[in-house]
Amino acid sequence: SYVLTQPPSVSVAPGQTARITCGGNNIGSKSVHWYQQKPGQAPVVVVYDDTDRPSGIPERFSGSNSGKTATLTISRVEAGDEADYYCQVWDSRSEVFGGGTKLTVL
Amino acid sequence: EVQLLESGGGLVQPGGSLRLSCAASGLTFSNYIMNWVRQAPGKGLEWVSAISGSGGSTHYADSVKGRFTISRDNSKNTLYLQMNSLRAEDTAIYYCASLNGGYSAPIDYWGQGTLVTVSS
Repeated sequence: SYVLTQPPSVSVAPGQTARITCGGNNIGSKSVHWYQQKPGQAPVVVVYDDTDRPSGIPERFSGSNSGKTATLTISRVEAGDEADYYCQVWDSRSEVFGGGTKLTVL
Repeated sequence: EVQLLESGGGLVQPGGSLRLSCAASGLTFSNYIMNWVRQAPGKGLEWVSAISGSGGSTHYADSVKGRFTISRDNSKNTLYLQMNSLRAEDTAIYYCASLNGGYSAPIDYWGQGTLVTVSS
């Protein structure tokens, strides 16, 4: 089965840039989606199809995907960005989620 | 406004059964692929199952295959998950979620979740 690998945690100071990676075999050939989940809430998509942003999501959130790694980049990080982030793809009849990355804003 | 409202969670003994429901409103239900996604306490998201808009195609995670059955009633705008032979490791919040397009599309709407606890 397909596996997506994320770092368990990323820490960044306010105003800096956070990068959260998602590794998978030939992930560059798949559409990657990113979700933000805050405590006690359902996830929310922040980037879809590698690079697109839903309406209402700040431009500070962006994505890229190539080769074996997809990346979610959050620019000018704010305290409100502190959350768990998950990458997700569809792979031959199953949805696959990464293990999640806890973003801590120092 | 799209709403997905899960129900049917609760405490069940190992080996027992439970049926979850998800009532959808604010969308043309039969046009949407629907999923169940679960999250064990303090853990990450785990996809459980998906069903096509017509109900004619279903997919399952290996961890639940043969024990869980996904179904839908488009006349009632309702999604179901029949869970049999429940195990302690099935304890989780179960979310109903809709896909905005085909199977490779993102999940655009999530319910609030219903908690299933498997314990003696």
